[in-house]
Amino acid sequence: QLQLQESGPGLVKPSETLSLTCTVFGGSISSTTYYWGWIRQPPGKGPEYLGSMLYSGRTYYSSSLRSRVSISVDTSKSQVSLKLTSLTAADTAVYYCVRQHGTSEHLDYWGQGILVTVSS
Amino acid sequence: QSVLTQPPSVSAAPGQKVTISCSGGTSNIGKKYVSWYQHLPGTAPKLLIYDNNQRPSGIPDRFSASKSGTSASLGITGLQTGDEADYYCGSWDTSLSTFVFGTGTKVSVL
Repeated sequence: QLQLQESGPGLVKPSETLSLTCTVFGGSISSTTYYWGWIRQPPGKGPEYLGSMLYSGRTYYSSSLRSRVSISVDTSKSQVSLKLTSLTAADTAVYYCVRQHGTSEHLDYWGQGILVTVSS
Repeated sequence: QSVLTQPPSVSAAPGQKVTISCSGGTSNIGKKYVSWYQHLPGTAPKLLIYDNNQRPSGIPDRFSASKSGTSASLGITGLQTGDEADYYCGSWDTSLSTFVFGTGTKVSVL
């Protein structure tokens, strides 16, 4: 059974950079069928796609966050990483790691999520 | 802001049926597959429907979905209290080259 587990800080300061890691258990991160990505959900709001990456390097990013977000995949560690720069309070959200089907684009596996609060 | 539009809420009595609509455009639903997600409080969203009308293993057939043109819908029959959750549609947008979610619909069981 595939499992995704997010890790990282729960509190970060404004203007700093958020770094989150997702470790994939029970499946290959090197599959050519799936992308690995991040979704976030601010309190009281709907989910927002941040971006996703195929292990070979092809990457898609949210158009509104493209200048601040980057995603990378480390196949040796079976990990997906997210970096989000220049944080503001508006970046406070639960961040989810997801597996995305490469052809039909649905998000079939989600991590449990990690709450990140941006505050001084 | 969300590209796909859903009604804010729907409700019905236990055992009844609800239908949630999802309206998009030619760059997303009109061209690409629709998926649906159930979000129970305090948990991660769960995939309910993929490829417009396919259920993943373990999802009961009380959940069904369809797509026509630039719109899609999710139906829940035999409504149960455990179905109270937020439901989101989703699709790839070819103009934005990103995955887009619907505005979300809260299902209440009266």
